Amino acid sequence: KAGVTQTPRYLIKTRGQQVTLSCSPISGHRSVSWYQQTPGQGLQFLFEYFSETQRNKGNFPGRFSGRQFSNSRSEMNVSTLELGDSALYLCASSLVPGGATGELFFGEGSRLTVL
Amino acid sequence: AQSVTQLGSHVSVSEGALVLLRCNYSSSVPPYLFWYVQYPNQGLQLLLKYTSAATLVKGINGFEAEFKKSETSFHLTKPSAHMSDAAEYFCAVSVTGNQFYFGTGTSLTVIP
Repeated sequence: KAGVTQTPRYLIKTRGQQVTLSCSPISGHRSVSWYQQTPGQGLQFLFEYFSETQRNKGNFPGRFSGRQFSNSRSEMNVSTLELGDSALYLCASSLVPGGATGELFFGEGSRLTVL
Repeated sequence: AQSVTQLGSHVSVSEGALVLLRCNYSSSVPPYLFWYVQYPNQGLQLLLKYTSAATLVKGINGFEAEFKKSETSFHLTKPSAHMSDAAEYFCAVSVTGNQFYFGTGTSLTVIP
């Protein structure tokens, strides 16, 4: 069974640009969550989608947005990139939303560097 | 609201020594608790989880954790560290239907 797939794995952008990251969850998983990981900050929750609807949103500015498609694949977009957006962006999928089943399955992440 | 505190952002142990990684949580309702491990350039994978069954939880690779409600703790232990245990460890809390809250992580170094 294929795991969570994130693309691209690495990317470099400059300030002011925008970026779109993609996440394909494990087959059958309908919930996708996004996290930003930076040194010293741990994992910061961005948002969670279930059945194409955003269920929860973390404390990030409106430059960060996401969506989920009917096949459960999800994308997140960051517009007007800032240096501080440099981070590892992790996607996690689960069968149902939140902590109900007790486990998130993570992809390997997309490492974004903003110059 | 839920939160997690991991004491010690860096822990070093000698190979063969006891591993103890500390995690304290805050939750207004009975929580689910988790430990995840992250190896370099990889995503997180589940080590073990507490879901209100036995308070002593055994996970993969010889790790275990004990849920202590009175201390609001969920510390991770392993009797004998192995070089392959070097990684970043994250404690997380979740309440049914809500999001996960992760600690800031503890980087474990194993000294040969």
